[in-house]
Amino acid sequence: DAGITQSPRHKVTETGTPVTLRCHQTENHRYMYWYRQDPGHGLRLIHYSYGVKDTDKGEVSDGYSVSRSKTEDFLLTLESATSSQTSVYFCAISESTANYEQYFGPGTRLTVT
Amino acid sequence: DQQVKQNSPSLSVQEGRISILNCDYTNSMFDYFLWYKKYPAEGPTFLISISSIKDKNEDGRFTVFLNKSAKHLSLHIVPSQPGDSAVYFCAARMNDMRFGAGTRLTVKP
Repeated sequence: DAGITQSPRHKVTETGTPVTLRCHQTENHRYMYWYRQDPGHGLRLIHYSYGVKDTDKGEVSDGYSVSRSKTEDFLLTLESATSSQTSVYFCAISESTANYEQYFGPGTRLTVT
Repeated sequence: DQQVKQNSPSLSVQEGRISILNCDYTNSMFDYFLWYKKYPAEGPTFLISISSIKDKNEDGRFTVFLNKSAKHLSLHIVPSQPGDSAVYFCAARMNDMRFGAGTRLTVKP
């Protein structure tokens, strides 16, 4: 299994509060991704990174920001959480060419009340 | 606008029989297709892939077929085993990866 961890694994927060999710990899892969999974939608890309300090938006980036200051860490921040951001969030990594086989972390279940 | 669609939310098959999971896409620019398997409370795991220049790829019990003219791909699992019970996502790549909504496969002993 690829060495990917996500923290926290579960979080309940209130509307309007900031939330940061962390993804940590030990594989030294260049590409990292944040997805959200919702019923009826599968996985949708939020943001991705193609190197330290190099990030770009995905399909559903509104309300989210990311940062990557080290190869191994990719942070996803919800500046002011809303109930529509209640979801399961997955981090993924890939080795060389962007978007070939990606390896996923175990997920973070976020509930915004 | 879902560019990758899995129209069957669930599928139930008997152990030992064939499971066929289907996926349709709308964008002819996709150049690579993948299938992922997901167990509850875990992240998706890569299962098998196929390039758009091929029409079939086989790996053990798993075979993926691609019909570009129909914009359709399918995953065949033969023979199906109870451990194959999971949610299966198809995905298609262009500039980024687009996933279908998933099909829950149940293999009954």
